[in-house]
Amino acid sequence: SAVISQKPSRDICQRGTSLTIQCQVDSQVTMMFWYRQQPGQSLTLIATANQGSEATYESGFVIDKFPISRPNLTFSTLTVSNMSPEDSSIYLCSVLDRGNEKLFFGSGTQLSVL
Amino acid sequence: DAKTTQPPSMDCAEGRAANLPCNHSTISGNEYVYWYRQIHSQGPQYIIHGLKNNETNEMASLIITEDRKSSTLILPHATLRDTAVYYCIVKGAAGNNRKLIWGLGTSLAVNP
Repeated sequence: SAVISQKPSRDICQRGTSLTIQCQVDSQVTMMFWYRQQPGQSLTLIATANQGSEATYESGFVIDKFPISRPNLTFSTLTVSNMSPEDSSIYLCSVLDRGNEKLFFGSGTQLSVL
Repeated sequence: DAKTTQPPSMDCAEGRAANLPCNHSTISGNEYVYWYRQIHSQGPQYIIHGLKNNETNEMASLIITEDRKSSTLILPHATLRDTAVYYCIVKGAAGNNRKLIWGLGTSLAVNP
């Protein structure tokens, strides 16, 4: 199974600032995803991080607000830009093991925006 | 990918079996049933998955009805550490997960 290291684990940020979340996987993976989980809610897919090309965003999410980098097959970053209190959520990195079609998740980043 | 329906919450006594139901009446022939759980404020953890046969691993058993329209996750001897939100998801055999629908799951409380 893939081991995913995500950091920071939590942060408290001021309105209008940006935060970059890092996701490191211990093996090369083709498919890497970023999710958001708002308080009391389920998981919502933000985007698929594509290696070597622009991320594929889901409806309601845009690159200017959530820029994503994927420089190689083991690493990705998600930036939450120009934050507002509505961005307070848990952000999760996930990878798909194509061998058994299992999703593995990082431990998440708990973001609070004041 | 099909949508699933789960009860919002369940209770279970420690040491007893926890049986968590899931309805997936619109599941198609090539879609698998996956179960994940999320312990408070952590990332979801894979538990088990199956297509049509019952499955068992070190964590749980998965019982899928013959018509595949529903399934039950069984934790044979629940412990306090099994208190979590359990998600039932259906997913195609291959491809990415862009169409996965994560519902609110079942919040399982294991009581001493």
